[in-house]
Amino acid sequence: GESVGLHLPTLSVQEGDNSIINCAYSNSASDYFIWYKQESGKGPQFIIDIRSNMDKRQGQRVTVLLNKTVKHLSLQIAATQPGDSAVYFCAENGIQGAQKLVFGQGTRLTINP
Amino acid sequence: EPEVTQTPSHQVTQMGQEVILRCVPISNHLYFYWYRQILGQKVEFLVSFYNNEISEKSEIFDDQFSVERPDGSNFTLKIRSTKLEDSAMYFCASSDPTGGDLETQYFGPGTRLLVL
Repeated sequence: GESVGLHLPTLSVQEGDNSIINCAYSNSASDYFIWYKQESGKGPQFIIDIRSNMDKRQGQRVTVLLNKTVKHLSLQIAATQPGDSAVYFCAENGIQGAQKLVFGQGTRLTINP
Repeated sequence: EPEVTQTPSHQVTQMGQEVILRCVPISNHLYFYWYRQILGQKVEFLVSFYNNEISEKSEIFDDQFSVERPDGSNFTLKIRSTKLEDSAMYFCASSDPTGGDLETQYFGPGTRLLVL
């Protein structure tokens, strides 16, 4: 069945360092993946997405890597800033064209000054 | 930048009462969604809505739940008889199917529902 999960529930990094947040998924039919950032008391905020026909996509200070062989997704944040502290969720659509997103548990990223 | 808005931000109700959560999706979007997040847990899909009808729903979305687009801008979630376990953060989202970005869903700030 569908399953999206995160390896680590918490991650602490020093300000200015790079951070990597990982996600595993089990549905090989998933063809769309998305990372959201959720700050306390707010809704999920879109960060970056990737389709299954790609293995890497870059945004501003963020990079998403997709390894379909091992069903693994990662979010890299470069030069972390205090504002990057939040919970990060990966989500996938399960099957092509499906409208519902299946979310993982989330990883809490803390940026230490 | 256009965004999804939701009202109220907080709602406290008694068990058995009806609540209506309101959302204004991004204006040119055509797909609308409701999700919920129980405290400390992951975000869960409830329902998707397109062309004035439900297109997909989860097992959570039982007969106590309903959705409606009463006019050209609002999208509502009604819970007819609330239960204690309905206490959660409810998020509305919308997406634009044009340009191939159907799956990119943009979320509102949420309504925190507390059932006593």
